[in-house]
Amino acid sequence: GQNIDQPTEMTATEGAIVQINCTYQTSGFNGLFWYQQHAGEAPTFLSYNVLDGLEEKGRFSSFLSRSKGYSYLLLKELQMKDSASYLCAVVDSNYQLIWGAGTKLIIKP
Amino acid sequence: NAGVTQTPKFRVLKTGQSMTLLCAQDMNHEYMYWYRQDPGMGLRLIHYSVGEGTTAKGEVPDGYNVSRLKKQNFLLGLESAAPSQTSVYFCASSYSLGEGQPQHFGDGTRLSIL
Repeated sequence: GQNIDQPTEMTATEGAIVQINCTYQTSGFNGLFWYQQHAGEAPTFLSYNVLDGLEEKGRFSSFLSRSKGYSYLLLKELQMKDSASYLCAVVDSNYQLIWGAGTKLIIKP
Repeated sequence: NAGVTQTPKFRVLKTGQSMTLLCAQDMNHEYMYWYRQDPGMGLRLIHYSVGEGTTAKGEVPDGYNVSRLKKQNFLLGLESAAPSQTSVYFCASSYSLGEGQPQHFGDGTRLSIL
């Protein structure tokens, strides 16, 4: 079966750094997406990785290791507005997105 | 700059009633998707379309039907609603499958079946 694991909830302090992990076991791999979803809103695209390594976009970075079936999203200089759920999704061999349940990130002042 | 628009935003139905959820996109995307999102679970694909006039089943298609008569619209129908279909429904669209093209989501329809 196909499986994506993320921690259910994490708490961090404003101004700090947090790393959200995602491990996956899927039938094939054609890339990995990270999305942000604020409560009651739509998911919005954050990043895409298809090759091993780190992709940096401002305060957000995403890392991929295909051999380990592992990715993480790194958020720096946390702001209160970063309080949201972060969704990991893998593109499988049929080019369908397989979604993790999401990690709810709580930022405390 | 509308993007993906879903109507209605909220709806309450009684068991056995039918309804249609509407999704419209103005980005000229070929691919459109319907998902449901339930607490503690990832987004699950109901049906999708790879172009006007085409539809295909996703992971959880039972109890739902879809139509894509026009490229910009993707309709999701519930013929006989059941309490298990209480969920938040998201429509999404993308330029292509894979190639790092992200899916763009509508704001969701919150559906309760009593």
